Amino acid sequence: AAGVIQSPRHLIKEKRETATLKCYPIPRHDTVYWYQQGPGQDPQFLISFYEKMQSDKGSIPDRFSAQQFSDYHSELNMSSLELGDSALYFCASSRNTDTQYFGPGTRLTVL
Amino acid sequence: RKEVEQDPGPFNVPEGATVAFNCTYSNSASQSFFWYRQDCRKEPKLLMSVYSSGNEDGRFTAQLNRASQYISLLIRDSKLSDSATYLCVVNFTGGGNKLTFGTGTQLKVEL
Repeated sequence: AAGVIQSPRHLIKEKRETATLKCYPIPRHDTVYWYQQGPGQDPQFLISFYEKMQSDKGSIPDRFSAQQFSDYHSELNMSSLELGDSALYFCASSRNTDTQYFGPGTRLTVL
Repeated sequence: RKEVEQDPGPFNVPEGATVAFNCTYSNSASQSFFWYRQDCRKEPKLLMSVYSSGNEDGRFTAQLNRASQYISLLIRDSKLSDSATYLCVVNFTGGGNKLTFGTGTQLKVEL
């Protein structure tokens, strides 16, 4: 069965640079969620979109923004990167408010 | 205090053992409950949803006690492949559909 696709899988950036993470949900899933998991921590909710509209917002820094496009894929844009932004970024998708399925994640390292 | 609390472990058990994990949550207006499994550096994968009536899936049994705000997971006949971190996850009412994770309980099954 098709799963959530995330790209890139690994990303290395310097401080103050920008990064864009992409997420392609499972086909026919209309809701996308972004989570951040720091080293040794549990995943923390950042933001979600339902039918291309922001549906909920968590602990997402103002330096980050995201959107969902007409084909339901989503992008997380991160600017002025800081060392503390180094983490695994997971995207999950669901159909309405059904069970969330996670992608393999993007490992971001900020040097 | 975290909204979802778990004993971080590690739980080191021999193959074939029965092991139980517990989780408590602070918000009584909680909507739905899950156990996810996470292998090192991989995405969380849904193990099972948890219902008030209790539910079983093969060697795994989950229980929910809403009065005590307590969730449990029982694994029977542990296999080496069960070694992972088990995340207790709650979807709080009024919290959109974002998931709140416990810190996870690490299980190591040994020969």
